Amino acid sequence: DAGVTQSPTHLIKTRGQQVTLRCSPKSGHDTVSWYQQALGQGPQFIFQYYEEEERQRGNFPDRFSGHQFPNYSSELNVNALLLGDSALYLCASSLLGVPNQPQHFGDGTRLSIL
Amino acid sequence: GDSVTQMEGPVTLSEEAFLTINCTYTATGYPSLFWYVQYPGEGLQLLLKATKADDKGSNKGFEATYRKETTSFHLEKGSVQVSDSAVYFCALSGSGGTASKLTFGTGTRLQVTL
Repeated sequence: DAGVTQSPTHLIKTRGQQVTLRCSPKSGHDTVSWYQQALGQGPQFIFQYYEEEERQRGNFPDRFSGHQFPNYSSELNVNALLLGDSALYLCASSLLGVPNQPQHFGDGTRLSIL
Repeated sequence: GDSVTQMEGPVTLSEEAFLTINCTYTATGYPSLFWYVQYPGEGLQLLLKATKADDKGSNKGFEATYRKETTSFHLEKGSVQVSDSAVYFCALSGSGGTASKLTFGTGTRLQVTL
């Protein structure tokens, strides 16, 4: 049973560029959440997708956008990259509507902005 | 809004010592509480959870009890091992259920030496 998979594992971009990160949820899960983890900090919630719609959003600018596909996989897009966007981006999946089911995390994509 | 406060690290212990990592929270309603662990270069792994007051979560010798009266969820282990060295995150999800966004503390690094 495959867990949450993310690609790529590492990525280097320059300021002003755009980036797309990808996530496949754990088998049987229908909800995908994205988090940003800066070095030495706890993860910060970016947004959550369910049924291909953004369900919740954290305090991130519109440069951060996402998408969920019919197979439940998801993409995170970041436009006009800033140095401060350098972080580990984590994807988590879960099953909405089932009580007490925790979110499962992937190993993340390490994004470095030069 | 919701928030989680963890004791600052790093925490350095000798093998077989007793571990306590303090965690307190602020939230409306009845959140679910979690401890996640992050090993170097990896994503987050769920360590244990508790979904209502007085619940005790436990896993791999770690325990934490959901104390609503003190808004706390302290992590304990009776005898730590070198392999427990990692960063530990306390987190909560709001009353929208466990699939709701997670709010994390800043993490506590544990280093266990021989």
